[in-house]
Amino acid sequence: QKEVEQDPGPLSVPEGAIVSLNCTYSNSAFQYFMWYRQYSRKGPELLMYTYSSGNKEDGRFTAQVDKSSKYISLFIRDSQPSDSATYLCAMNELSGAQKLVFGQGTRLTINP
Amino acid sequence: SAVISQKPSRDICQRGTSLTIQCQVDSQVTMMFWYRQQPGQSLTLIATANQGSEATYESGFVIDKFPISRPNLTFSTLTVSNMSPEDSSIYLCSVEVPPLAGASYEQYFGPGTRLTVT
Repeated sequence: QKEVEQDPGPLSVPEGAIVSLNCTYSNSAFQYFMWYRQYSRKGPELLMYTYSSGNKEDGRFTAQVDKSSKYISLFIRDSQPSDSATYLCAMNELSGAQKLVFGQGTRLTINP
Repeated sequence: SAVISQKPSRDICQRGTSLTIQCQVDSQVTMMFWYRQQPGQSLTLIATANQGSEATYESGFVIDKFPISRPNLTFSTLTVSNMSPEDSSIYLCSVEVPPLAGASYEQYFGPGTRLTVT
């Protein structure tokens, strides 16, 4: 079993839809949770960073962490064609000098 | 944040040869990391590179195959040695940026080097 599971998609939705991206994990020691966005032929770009359980909102993006269920989500509201990318979840146990464990990434396409 | 550049951006190499990838950061950072992203796969950490010490390799990766240099706080190189087609992948360097007060460490990635081995 992989430490982090993420549905690879692809996921295709119409412009303006609410998008839900999810990851599950098995290591209960994970405390720091990140979402990266990766456009085609580019490096991953840090999108959201959450510590422990709870919600964090940044514009159209909301990250949720449920440590009891070992489940994290990224919601995108009012999705735009420019949101089309691969979204990777990542996590680690401690902050600083720690390797990130990544999900496989979900390829998302927003159709105009 | 940090601005990271990598050279080359892509290359096509013959099996048995070696390629050195360079990673340059616009600020001094302690921790640098090298990842591999194979087609359709997630990112896998190859090694962690601290300035002034030997790189620390993850299980499945060895120094003879992936030697790393870290001569200063803004630069690192990864060499892919004696390449085979299985080494075809995207190689990414990342850096860890110390947090501002009350925040946490964050990792930022370079644009990647797309390597094809024929």
